Amino acid sequence: GAGVSQSPSNKVTEKGKDVELRCDPISGHTALYWYRQSLGQGLEFLIYFQGNSAPDKSGLPSDRFSAERTGGSVSTLTIQRTQQEDSAVYLCASTRGGIYNEQFFGPGTRLTVL
Amino acid sequence: SQQGEEDPQALSIQEGENATMNCSYKTSINNLQWYRQNSGRGLVHLILIRSNEREKHSGRLRVTLDTSKKSSSLLITASRAADTASYFCATDRGGTSYGKLTFGQGTILTVHP
Repeated sequence: GAGVSQSPSNKVTEKGKDVELRCDPISGHTALYWYRQSLGQGLEFLIYFQGNSAPDKSGLPSDRFSAERTGGSVSTLTIQRTQQEDSAVYLCASTRGGIYNEQFFGPGTRLTVL
Repeated sequence: SQQGEEDPQALSIQEGENATMNCSYKTSINNLQWYRQNSGRGLVHLILIRSNEREKHSGRLRVTLDTSKKSSSLLITASRAADTASYFCATDRGGTSYGKLTFGQGTILTVHP
């Protein structure tokens, strides 16, 4: 079956612009995670959606970052007024939910802020 | 903050040799997972070991977990050039945080043909 997909694969934007990154999880997976991977910080957790529960936003680095998940499926990560330090690879993962479940990662979106 | 720390940071071996990577972490965990990443993009899950397990095998992979030392190791036996990748350990603290993985900095493995 299809894996986790993300779009776009690459995004170049100018400082101050807003960007939207999309994640399509594996069908039937109830949990969805966003991570960010950058040279200086490694892989960092950003936000987590589980079913209809309120998302865990504890990893979002600033209020310029937000995410939503519509219909329990597709998720969009929005970064407003992008800064150069936002440049990174943004990875999305999904899982069936519950404990002891591996996370399936998408290929990521490489964001470059000029 | 990075909970897991892998060592070595980089490992270069010849095809056929074994590769061992270590991971240390700071807090109690529910489970620990190892992932592989090729070319800086998507991660592939390799193996999950629960906190009450000490060793787990999957094909050429062997993972050990020592919760008293807060450490884990990943052994790849009879390595192949295709094993060249970055390897990350990730800890899951469970409880209300389950699923929120904390990754280490990774080990870059190069297997020379």
